[in-house]
Amino acid sequence: AQSVTQLDSHVSVSEGTPVLLRCNYSSSYSPSLFWYVQHPNKGLQLLLKYTSAATLVKGINGFEAEFKKSETSFHLTKPSAHMSDAAEYFCVVSNSGGFKTIFGAGTRLFVKA
Amino acid sequence: DGGITQSPKYLFRKEGQNVTLSCEQNLNHDAMYWYRQDPGQGLRLIYYSQIVNDFQKGDIAEGYSVSREKKESFPLTVTSAQKNPTAFYLCASSIESSRFADTQYFGPGTRLTVL
Repeated sequence: AQSVTQLDSHVSVSEGTPVLLRCNYSSSYSPSLFWYVQHPNKGLQLLLKYTSAATLVKGINGFEAEFKKSETSFHLTKPSAHMSDAAEYFCVVSNSGGFKTIFGAGTRLFVKA
Repeated sequence: DGGITQSPKYLFRKEGQNVTLSCEQNLNHDAMYWYRQDPGQGLRLIYYSQIVNDFQKGDIAEGYSVSREKKESFPLTVTSAQKNPTAFYLCASSIESSRFADTQYFGPGTRLTVL
């Protein structure tokens, strides 16, 4: 069985400070893991993807995530937040050996000036 | 320009009416998906299609129907049997879904409101 938990429904940071969005997963098989971003009333855009290559994955707009198997985590980070980063972020787990994609409930990121 | 288009952007429906949401892609992707998004929840899969003339129910298919007569098109009909259809609907596509680990590319969404 697969599941994904985003540990914070809301995160608020000041512009220029680091961003940390937390995601834990469970999967019976080697998972593929994704982070997507959604701006208000828009579709989802892929930020980055992990598929069992390097454990540190770099994505677009300065975001990166680290796959930690021992902690079953895939947290998203960015060294310095920008106002345009304010959006909702979804962690997604997909079973490469099966037929299921699970979306987390989302974390809304607020960026204060 | 390759991508996925959804229309309309906003849709209003009276109770008891069926409505159809359009989804078109020119990415030459085999697989297409429909998701429903409600506030505070992740996306939930309604239907998916791996190939033309074939589709499968997702987790919340009741009250919805789809067709896949062309590779590039995957319309979703919200029927009067759907008890609470007000939501944001997202269409996506991927190269193939047999592994379900491919990146999914999303359209801009349709917001459906029942009056």
